[in-house]
Amino acid sequence: DSGVTQTPKHLITATGQRVTLRCSPRSGDLSVYWYQQSLDQGLQFLIQYYNGEERAKGNILERFSAQQFPDLHSELNLSSLELGDSALYFCASSVAKGSSYNEQFFGPGTRLTVL
Amino acid sequence: GQSLEQPSEVTAVEGAIVQINCTYQTSGFYGLSWYQQHDGGAPTFLSYNALDGLEETGRFSSFLSRSDSYGYLLLQELQMKDSASYFCAVRDRPGNTGKLIFGQGTTLQVKP
Repeated sequence: DSGVTQTPKHLITATGQRVTLRCSPRSGDLSVYWYQQSLDQGLQFLIQYYNGEERAKGNILERFSAQQFPDLHSELNLSSLELGDSALYFCASSVAKGSSYNEQFFGPGTRLTVL
Repeated sequence: GQSLEQPSEVTAVEGAIVQINCTYQTSGFYGLSWYQQHDGGAPTFLSYNALDGLEETGRFSSFLSRSDSYGYLLLQELQMKDSASYFCAVRDRPGNTGKLIFGQGTTLQVKP
């Protein structure tokens, strides 16, 4: 158990819908990351938040947005869903300091299926 | 940008030693990490090399050569539970973020 929690575990929805994925980082970690894992694209970085502020961005679609709240939990919002958005979405957290960025603790993931 | 190359599949027998290679191209280098992921599970951090040489953690070791832009993960005394996917990853610029770029992963199958 990494100490990172994600809900829900599974999500099935239809094209065009909007969903929200939730993540709670390990106690004390200020940085939260979101990754998308699909069969054809592998593990792709989406976005990082540090203590409530956006720190880094990957190739995140404009239909996707995220935020980190004062209690450090984070939410990833996916809208106008398409079939290709079906994937595993992982949240990770780490201590935000030097080499500790390389040791990220991943949550169990949310499996999103868009029908 | 950053890119990483690693073999897609490796097969070995229980008790053997296996090496998973990773070559990378980066515009800035902030260390090479390795993660393990069992089928359907979360990636788990294994090791990190910032400097050249070998880092050992139990049955697993990781090596880095910055001049060759190359690293490898060495797994010794293979066990069935080591069957998993292994990813190498580098951190993208700038150095003060945790944006990890992952290789496509190597699926290790350990046979009895």
